[in-house]
Amino acid sequence: NAGVMQNPRHLVRRRGQEARLRCSPMKGHSHVYWYRQLPEEGLKFMVYLQKENIIDESGMPKERFSAEFPKEGPSILRIQQVVRGDSAAYFCASSRGEDIGQPQHFGDGTRLSIL
Amino acid sequence: AQSVTQPDIHITVSEGASLELRCNYSYGATPYLFWYVQSPGQGLQLLLKYFSGDTLVQGIKGFEAEFKRSQSSFNLRKPSVHWSDAAEYFCAVGAGGSYIPTFGRGTSLIVHP
Repeated sequence: NAGVMQNPRHLVRRRGQEARLRCSPMKGHSHVYWYRQLPEEGLKFMVYLQKENIIDESGMPKERFSAEFPKEGPSILRIQQVVRGDSAAYFCASSRGEDIGQPQHFGDGTRLSIL
Repeated sequence: AQSVTQPDIHITVSEGASLELRCNYSYGATPYLFWYVQSPGQGLQLLLKYFSGDTLVQGIKGFEAEFKRSQSSFNLRKPSVHWSDAAEYFCAVGAGGSYIPTFGRGTSLIVHP
């Protein structure tokens, strides 16, 4: 499968635990974007990364959330000490270039549920 | 900053009927415009995009969209809807030189047999 791969598809955590969401971009793509989608809402941008660099994290909460895209391996979105309000679908997208002219390709998302 | 409005939260059509989903944007210059479709439990799939040139854009799955600068609109159309088209549709707008499109809140399409 040459598409954007996200895992796990579903993740259940109790309040206070940590959630780790993984994203492997499409082959040949070096730009990764994370979005959050709440029920009946559009996608909200969280963070944009290139290999080993965070380019724009303006949409990410200042506390408990972090993201990385190491030289080797998938991009990781980490949520520490999860709360009920973190329940959402988290989507990763990748593109070949950074300009808007390079459309983003999306994974199937991780549905995070907080008990 | 750009913004996008999808005025219809839900649209219901009968199978075989024509479809038009509305999208209005706000941006000072010529925007980059996209329509995505999201089936339940899946990610977004790009249907079509407009950057410049011909204002009528053809996409996948029989969809098309028309850019109308005078109306700041980019409506999505399909002449005959199939039951498999039932999904959530998102319009997105971006500005040249940026990399993050702004998404509308989506329109849920319901198809009656």
